[in-house]
Amino acid sequence: EPEVTQTPSHQVTQMGQEVILRCVPISNHLYFYWYRQILGQKVEFLVSFYNNEISEKSEIFDDQFSVERPDGSNFTLKIRSTKLEDSAMYFCASSASRTGRSYEQYFGPGTRLTVT
Amino acid sequence: AQKVTQAQTEISVVEKEDVTLDCVYETRDTTYYLFWYKQPPSGELVFLIRRNSFDEQNEISGRYSWNFQKSTSSFNFTITASQVVDSAVYFCALSGVLTGGGNKLTFGTGTQLKVEL
Repeated sequence: EPEVTQTPSHQVTQMGQEVILRCVPISNHLYFYWYRQILGQKVEFLVSFYNNEISEKSEIFDDQFSVERPDGSNFTLKIRSTKLEDSAMYFCASSASRTGRSYEQYFGPGTRLTVT
Repeated sequence: AQKVTQAQTEISVVEKEDVTLDCVYETRDTTYYLFWYKQPPSGELVFLIRRNSFDEQNEISGRYSWNFQKSTSSFNFTITASQVVDSAVYFCALSGVLTGGGNKLTFGTGTQLKVEL
C-alpha cells in the first residue's frame, strides 16, 4: 500500500541554523501539506501546496519557512533560522489522486525537530 | 473560521467496555468534511474515517462506529468492546471543500484513550 515517507525521523539542530525536512508524498497525489504538532498539543496546519505553488498557508508559516517540490517526487519544508519554539513534530501529508476524488489526507510518520 | 472541540481530554476504560469520543465542530461552510485520526504511542497519524456534510448516515466498521448529527454539529466516535490496542490519542478534524480537493484540516485538541486490562 502506498504511503507517505519522511526523512529524517529525528533532527537535532542549534538555534539559528537552517533545516530541511523531506517528504515523499504518495506518487499519484496532487496536494501536499505540512503540519506541526508541538509536544502534547494539537496538530496545526502550516501550508498546502498544489501545482507547484502554495495554495494556502497559516499565520505560523512566516518568512522563515519555505516549501519546495524540487524534483517531482520530494516535497521539502525549509526553516531558515530555527528558534527554540520550532521544536515540534512535523508531519507531511498528501491527498487527492488523479484517478478519482479522494479528500483524505494521508500522513507520513513525522520528523521530530529538536532545536537546542 | 473553523473550530473543532474535543472536550474530553482523557478517558480511561477497562478492556471490553464501550467508549464514545465526542467531537463538536463549528464552520460557516455549507459543505465540509469531517475526519477522525488515530495517533498511537508511536506518533504517526492514522486516517480512520471521512464524512461529508450532506451524508448523515451513521457508519460502522467492525468495532468502530460514527454518529454524525448535523443538527447538533457533532461527529462522535464509538469503540465497542475496547481493546488495549485501542489506546491512543484520537483527533477529530474538519475541512472545507474546494473543487478538486486540497483543503487544510482543522484539528481538535485530541482525546487520550487509555484501555486497561
